[in-house]
Amino acid sequence: SQQGEEDPQALSIQEGENATMNCSYKTSINNLQWYRQNSGRGLVHLILIRSNEREKHSGRLRVTLDTSKKSSSLLITASRAADTASYFCARRLDSSYKLIFGSGTRLLVRP
Amino acid sequence: GAVVSQHPSWVICKSGTSVKIECRSLDFQATTMFWYRQFPKQSLMLMATSNEGSKATYEQGVEKDKFLINHASLTLSTLTVTSAHPEDSSFYICSAEASGALSGETQYFGPGTRLLVL
Repeated sequence: SQQGEEDPQALSIQEGENATMNCSYKTSINNLQWYRQNSGRGLVHLILIRSNEREKHSGRLRVTLDTSKKSSSLLITASRAADTASYFCARRLDSSYKLIFGSGTRLLVRP
Repeated sequence: GAVVSQHPSWVICKSGTSVKIECRSLDFQATTMFWYRQFPKQSLMLMATSNEGSKATYEQGVEKDKFLINHASLTLSTLTVTSAHPEDSSFYICSAEASGALSGETQYFGPGTRLLVL
């Protein structure tokens, strides 16, 4: 399978705590993107990080990329109950328009 | 921003019937659209890449005669699930890659269509 691995599969934290999700992959990438999906809904694009970038921020979100280890992480700081959702990394392969999604992390933020 | 719509949002059908799902880019042109399926509590699996004016490219293991894709214009792609069976019940999501001035690396996702085959 081309799917990347994400861990943890599920994460439950208290509101206000930070949440870290990790994504690993095997093939070289053009960029890596993080998406959020609320239950039964479509995907919301969060952040795109290119293969020559190491870190990106957007509000309470911080994404890192380590191409030598073929891994990325998404950090959500000061989590809120509204952050409860599934989070997916998706990598865009070098010479393709395709996005290959990771297995996802289900985040539960308890109020 | 770029908006992608899907219709219908949900559909229930009898086994053996065909179901058509539409994916539209509302405020931009999309040379390329993608179709994914997602089973409960699982990730999105790419089914096929839909190219305007040409045949779709299917991923390994996806039956092209079962899942017919038509990308007749720069704003519309359709997925038809032919002779649907209960195992085809899933959440189908499309995405669109903008062309022209909006082109870039981001795909814009539709809200999904939930299919239940009885």
